[in-house]
Amino acid sequence: AQSVSQHNHHVILSEAASLELGCNYSYGGTVNLFWYVQYPGQHLQLLLKYFSGDPLVKGIKGFEAEFIKSKFSFNLRKPSVQWSDTAEYFCAVSVYNNNDMRFGAGTRLTVKP
Amino acid sequence: EPEVTQTPSHQVTQMGQEVILRCVPISNHLYFYWYRQILGQKVEFLVSFYNNEISEKSEIFDDQFSVERPDGSNFTLKIRSTKLEDSAMYFCASNLLYEQYFGPGTRLTVT
Repeated sequence: AQSVSQHNHHVILSEAASLELGCNYSYGGTVNLFWYVQYPGQHLQLLLKYFSGDPLVKGIKGFEAEFIKSKFSFNLRKPSVQWSDTAEYFCAVSVYNNNDMRFGAGTRLTVKP
Repeated sequence: EPEVTQTPSHQVTQMGQEVILRCVPISNHLYFYWYRQILGQKVEFLVSFYNNEISEKSEIFDDQFSVERPDGSNFTLKIRSTKLEDSAMYFCASNLLYEQYFGPGTRLTVT
């Protein structure tokens, strides 16, 4: 079964700093990739997704992620974070043609004003 | 925009009691899921459900757990005899193709 690794457990940044959160998955076949965000006290919301095509995908709120197949990675980036980006970020993967999704452990992002 | 709903938002129960967590998936979706998130930990897959049967379940989903789609709209998770370690946030999700839509979750507290 596929698995997902998020190496950064807690990231602390100041406003306007650039963000990159790592995500690596293990599965040899075709995958669908997702980033979800969970704001404090709220449920999971989809930030962006990759199914096929351009490996650089843009999501909501200025986030983007790049799929690098050779590195089995799908890192999340944002050029300039805001205090309101403080949240937990989860990378997830599902196998192509299979709906079952597996999540990484999550990365807590704290943005200091 | 259609959304997944879950009730109740918070359920408190005593150890050994049965609980049923309810979910109403998006109406034209075909695949349904339950996930669990213990406080401070990652989201864990419990079970997926398609065509009125379980399609996959994790090792967490033991005999104490069951799922049901009793009618055309509800999707329920039952825990027969709750344990303290079942305390968690339980998320329901549904999808038509590959993107899953999550409900707001039910916080289960077992005392």
